Amino acid sequence: ELKVEQNPLFLSMQEGKNYTIYCNYSTTSDRLYWYRQDPGKSLESLFVLLSNGAVKQEGRLMASLDTKARLSTLHITAAVHDLSATYFCCLGAQKLVFGQGTRLTINP
Amino acid sequence: EAQVTQNPRYLITVTGKKLTVTCSQNMNHEYMSWYRQDPGLGLRQIYYSMNVEVTDKGDVPEGYKVSRKEKRNFPLILESPSPNQTSLYFCASRFTVYNEQFFGPGTRLTVL
Repeated sequence: ELKVEQNPLFLSMQEGKNYTIYCNYSTTSDRLYWYRQDPGKSLESLFVLLSNGAVKQEGRLMASLDTKARLSTLHITAAVHDLSATYFCCLGAQKLVFGQGTRLTINP
Repeated sequence: EAQVTQNPRYLITVTGKKLTVTCSQNMNHEYMSWYRQDPGLGLRQIYYSMNVEVTDKGDVPEGYKVSRKEKRNFPLILESPSPNQTSLYFCASRFTVYNEQFFGPGTRLTVL
């Protein structure tokens, strides 16, 4: 059974700092997804990571995948307030499993 | 505009009163799925559908039914709702199992 664990679950940081969210999973999977959810809103897709060593970047966010370690990271560079949201990783094919989410708060 | 729509957006009901939450997508996606979101638990998959007339259970299917008679629609049915089904529900769709999902706006359900 696929298990997905994110950490930390809560993260409060200052603008301008760097930080990383970790997503560990228990069994091999074809691909890994990262989603963002703003408070009171729906989810939107950020990244799809397809293979070992995949790295994708969009603005201040960079996601990577290490299938051997069963680990994905979402790195935030020089955080800004607009990045405050809850971030989810998700794996699977037909059946999908989400991590618990990381609530990120960026303070001015 | 490409989108996933859900109705209703908010619903308060009582235990045992059958209800249906509709989900529709206009992107010709094959795959559709229902999730519930509860604090501290992330999103948990209830049911998914690979195509018309093809549905399967996710991780938390108990107390729910679905149908997929048309490609664009994937309603979620609660035959006899109970208070533990109070939650925020999301419908999502994607072209195939190899693509990212597009999510609907969510339905907040309260069962008294």
